[in-house]
Amino acid sequence: GQQVMQIPQYQHVQEGEDFTTYCNSSTTLSNIQWYKQRPGGHPVFLIQLVKSGEVKKQKRLTFQFGEAKKNSSLHITATQTTDVGTYFCAGSYDMRFGAGTRLTVKP
Amino acid sequence: GAVVSQHPSWVICKSGTSVKIECRSLDFQATTMFWYRQFPKQSLMLMATSNEGSKATYEQGVEKDKFLINHASLTLSTLTVTSAHPEDSSFYICSARDPDGQAPAEAFFGQGTRLTVV
Repeated sequence: GQQVMQIPQYQHVQEGEDFTTYCNSSTTLSNIQWYKQRPGGHPVFLIQLVKSGEVKKQKRLTFQFGEAKKNSSLHITATQTTDVGTYFCAGSYDMRFGAGTRLTVKP
Repeated sequence: GAVVSQHPSWVICKSGTSVKIECRSLDFQATTMFWYRQFPKQSLMLMATSNEGSKATYEQGVEKDKFLINHASLTLSTLTVTSAHPEDSSFYICSARDPDGQAPAEAFFGQGTRLTVV
């Protein structure tokens, strides 16, 4: 099945700094989903993007879907300690996840 | 949102024994459930897609005879790790979608099961 690549693998930021994780696919995706997994927890759905060039915001989180529907990004503005966790993307409906980006935030 | 319940949350078993993990959709019917394995600080690896009333679809490299999946009803899927060995120790987690819910694409995850084989 298709595979989505995610970078970076790790990101350590100072509280208040911004953070971005990227998800890339070699094939066109019908949609992309983002999940967050807190340490010791299970993944929780954040959002789904479907349209080419789509941008959605959830408070400090901004999600983008590329024009070619092959890449996506999640940007967090002014990170907080509550943002700590691993962020995963999953392409289309096949439920295969990218490697994830582990975010740590230094207070 | 919909709730997926997974049981047990942790289990310790002796090498050579079998362990069954249950995944239930509590307030919706799930024709399809997904089983994952996650090693520490790594991603979720899809093991198989469980289909109600039919055989599971296993990912490449996953031994179907070792990881038995049964999806006998629309609200229950089970994963049985047969003849467990220490290398099977891992975090196993299931998920399901609610096709009739407000967000059909959203996958709901169980709490996960931490299996330790000694």
